[in-house]
Amino acid sequence: AQSVTQLGSHVSVSEGALVLLRCNYSSSVPPYLFWYVQYPNQGLQLLLKYTTGATLVKGINGFEAEFKKSETSFHLTKPSAHMSDAAEYFCAVSDRGSSNTGKLIFGQGTTLQVKP
Amino acid sequence: DAMVIQNPRYQVTQFGKPVTLSCSQTLNHNVMYWYQQKSSQAPKLLFHYYDKDFNNEADTPDNFQSRRPNTSFCFLDIRSPGLGDAAMYLCATSRTGRGEQYFGPGTRLTVT
Repeated sequence: AQSVTQLGSHVSVSEGALVLLRCNYSSSVPPYLFWYVQYPNQGLQLLLKYTTGATLVKGINGFEAEFKKSETSFHLTKPSAHMSDAAEYFCAVSDRGSSNTGKLIFGQGTTLQVKP
Repeated sequence: DAMVIQNPRYQVTQFGKPVTLSCSQTLNHNVMYWYQQKSSQAPKLLFHYYDKDFNNEADTPDNFQSRRPNTSFCFLDIRSPGLGDAAMYLCATSRTGRGEQYFGPGTRLTVT
């Protein structure tokens, strides 16, 4: 069965510093990969996705992620953190198989704190 | 703007009193999902509809039911809410079930 691991349930950075949120998946076939952000009392918003093609994908709000098949990773980065980036971040995968029902397998989430 | 709408945003119900949460979408997507999210946890899929086909997750309690009367609307019925059902309930849609999901803002359910 697929699983997603986000290393670090809490990450704290200073405003202007690099943001790095780690995500590893376990799957024999590379799945579809997603990063979502959730602000308090809100739904999830798609930041970016990898389905095929270029392994470095750019998303909204200056975030990007790189799919590395050899490392089964899809880490999320942003060069310079902003206070408004403080939120919960979820990495998720979805099976590419023909029987796929679109079910998302989520990591446990990482809370990003941005200090002034 | 095309979107996923959930009403109400906050719902308070009494222990054992049936409650219905609603979700509508203007995206014309085929698939609609219901998730339960408890504090500091990832969303947990309860069930989904692919068009009219209902797909229940194996560990979803019988207390949770769903209806999808048309493409645009989907309802979550909790027949006898318990204190453990207090959570954020998220509705999401997907065009084909193969790509990204689009989430509504959620309904926070409180059970008293």
